[in-house]
Amino acid sequence: DTGVSQDPRHKITKRGQNVTFRCDPISEHNRLYWYRQTLGQGPEFLTYFQNEAQLEKSRLLSDRFSAERPKGSFSTLEIQRTEQGDSAMYLCASSWGFNSGRAQGGNIQYFGAGTRLSVL
Amino acid sequence: ELKVEQNPLFLSMQEGKNYTIYCNYSTTSDRLYWYRQDPGKSLESLFVLLSNGAVKQEGRLMASLDTKARLSTLHITAAVHDLSATYFCAVDRTVTDKLIFGTGTRLQVFP
Repeated sequence: DTGVSQDPRHKITKRGQNVTFRCDPISEHNRLYWYRQTLGQGPEFLTYFQNEAQLEKSRLLSDRFSAERPKGSFSTLEIQRTEQGDSAMYLCASSWGFNSGRAQGGNIQYFGAGTRLSVL
Repeated sequence: ELKVEQNPLFLSMQEGKNYTIYCNYSTTSDRLYWYRQDPGKSLESLFVLLSNGAVKQEGRLMASLDTKARLSTLHITAAVHDLSATYFCAVDRTVTDKLIFGTGTRLQVFP
């Protein structure tokens, strides 16, 4: 099974520290998305990439957050100077993209298991 | 701004019963998705609905879409315990493929 994988699964850090998460998408997918999910809520969009280009960033993505997808394959999400409010599940998803011509009926996004961040 | 609302937020139902989860969205959308999430797990795609009147069924779950009412429903038939999970609807638009999720409906099925 070559689904979306995320690493680490859990991260505990102290306030003010930097953290970095990694996402490996399904290999054929050209779009990669980051979402954040807090307890009892639906995922909220953070940013997405088409190949290596970052096409959109949410207003939720403050300047402490940065995401990269340097070779159009895996992606990293870094949070600098973490705050307690950053505690959440960070989800990565990948897809073909609706306009790719390869999406089978809609732009189904396939999600990884997530990285749970706890900021103490 | 595109907003998605689900109700109920929590649903406790007995095995064998039927129920419907509702998903309303605020502005025109191109596609409507239903996902399932088990506790501590990621999201699993259930259905994608592309046009007005679309209906899809998988096992005991059936999803439908009314684009004029901006409403999708997820109908559960003869619930079983294995259906216990949180169900999310989400919408997106062709101009940007990001998903806008509802708050989710937590379903508990008891004997």
